[in-house]
Amino acid sequence: GNSVTQMEGPVTLSEEAFLTINCTYTATGYPSLFWYVQYPGEGLQLLLKATKADDKGSNKGFEATYRKETTSFHLEKGSVQVSDSAVYFCALSSGGSNYKLTFGKGTLLTVNP
Amino acid sequence: NAGVTQTPKFRVLKTGQSMTLLCAQDMNHEYMYWYRQDPGMGLRLIHYSVGEGTTAKGEVPDGYNVSRLKKQNFLLGLESAAPSQTSVYFCASSFTGANQPQHFGDGTRLSIL
Repeated sequence: GNSVTQMEGPVTLSEEAFLTINCTYTATGYPSLFWYVQYPGEGLQLLLKATKADDKGSNKGFEATYRKETTSFHLEKGSVQVSDSAVYFCALSSGGSNYKLTFGKGTLLTVNP
Repeated sequence: NAGVTQTPKFRVLKTGQSMTLLCAQDMNHEYMYWYRQDPGMGLRLIHYSVGEGTTAKGEVPDGYNVSRLKKQNFLLGLESAAPSQTSVYFCASSFTGANQPQHFGDGTRLSIL
C-alpha cells in the first residue's frame, strides 16, 4: 500500500535560516506528491505539488523536487520567516483511487525571531 | 468566498451521546472527504464521497456514518460517542480527476468525556 514518511519534529530555527523537511514515500504506480501547510487553528492548505518525476513544485519561496530514484520529495526554503511557523504535511495520491491522499504524520516548524 | 465551512467549531459530548458534524462547500466540488487528526498520527480518512448520493469507507470508518444528500453538503454522524473519538475533524473537497488538490475546512474540535 501507499505510505509517507516524513522527518519527526519539532524543528526549531532562527529567522533567515535554511529549512529542509525530509519526505520519502512508498506507492504503487506513479504517484503525485504534495506538501500541505497547517497554520495554528486552521485547516490544511496546499503549499505545492508535483505530478511526475523531476518536476519541481514551488510556492512562497518553498520548493520540492520529485525524485523517483530516491522516492523522495523534500521540502526546502532558503530563508525562513516567523510567519512560516506551522505544521507541514507531505502527502501522495496514487493508484486507482488517485483522488485520495495518504498523509505523513506532519512536522511542526517553529521559527524564532 | 467561503470555500469549505464546518459546523460546529467546538463541541463537548458525553459518552453515548450522538451528534452530526456538517460540512458545506460552495466550489461545486464533486468529491468530499472526512478526516480525523490525532497527535502523532497525521490525518486519517474516515469516509468519502465521489458524488451526490454516494459514500464510501476510508481508513478508519468504524463508529461513524455519513450522508451526501446534496452535492454541497457532507454530514458526519456519531451515533454513540466514545472517548476514542476525541479528535479534530476536518472536511475537505476537490474536483474530479486525478491528482486534484483538496480544499480543507478549519476543523471541528470534538471532546468526548
